[in-house]
Amino acid sequence: GAGVSQSPSNKVTEKGKDVELRCDPISGHTALYWYRQSLGQGLEFLIYFQGNSAPDKSGLPSDRFSAERTGGSVSTLTIQRTQQEDSAVYLCASSRGLAQHGETQYFGPGTRLLVL
Amino acid sequence: QQQVKQSPQSLIVQKGGISIINCAYENTAFDYFPWYQQFPGKGPALLIAIRPDVSEKKEGRFTISFNKSAKQFSLHIMDSQPGDSATYFCAAGFYDKVIFGPGTSLSVIP
Repeated sequence: GAGVSQSPSNKVTEKGKDVELRCDPISGHTALYWYRQSLGQGLEFLIYFQGNSAPDKSGLPSDRFSAERTGGSVSTLTIQRTQQEDSAVYLCASSRGLAQHGETQYFGPGTRLLVL
Repeated sequence: QQQVKQSPQSLIVQKGGISIINCAYENTAFDYFPWYQQFPGKGPALLIAIRPDVSEKKEGRFTISFNKSAKQFSLHIMDSQPGDSATYFCAAGFYDKVIFGPGTSLSVIP
């Protein structure tokens, strides 16, 4: 595919369940970002992967959130014991290098998570 | 130190008018300032970006003005069109992440 893809596009789950969100970045992009966008709110940074370096997890809101990136490509964001306040759109973005160095971030369409 | 402020929260502009969105940051170490445009149901898309070594950058109808001493930057949309109606996010880059402002909902009315 030409762009960043995310799956599922929509996820409804019950409070307390675990969910996994997947991101397929653009081929060759070394940087991958996860963001969260709550209804009517701006984008909240969650976690960032750059190549084989240890990820910057400073944006993760709690220890229920974790993410991994296998083989420097696909990334999975896992939310354990989901809470209603986790309901949001989770956006993934990738770039060839660091966005701070002028590399454009390309965003996926997002996964809309609803925790009942 | 890490916050990016953005105003107004919402903006209504008549077709052909100028839309102005302002942002302010606190951390002088930031060195990359992009603007994103987001349509409903879509992910954000990079619109235009600026570095602190220039005071202005123009791309088509979109212009970023940057005031390093005031730690402020703004987006100007000239000749605003109904198709420009979207949410606009400013952002600032520091180390290895970009921090976003809360967004401005722009409506351009015919």
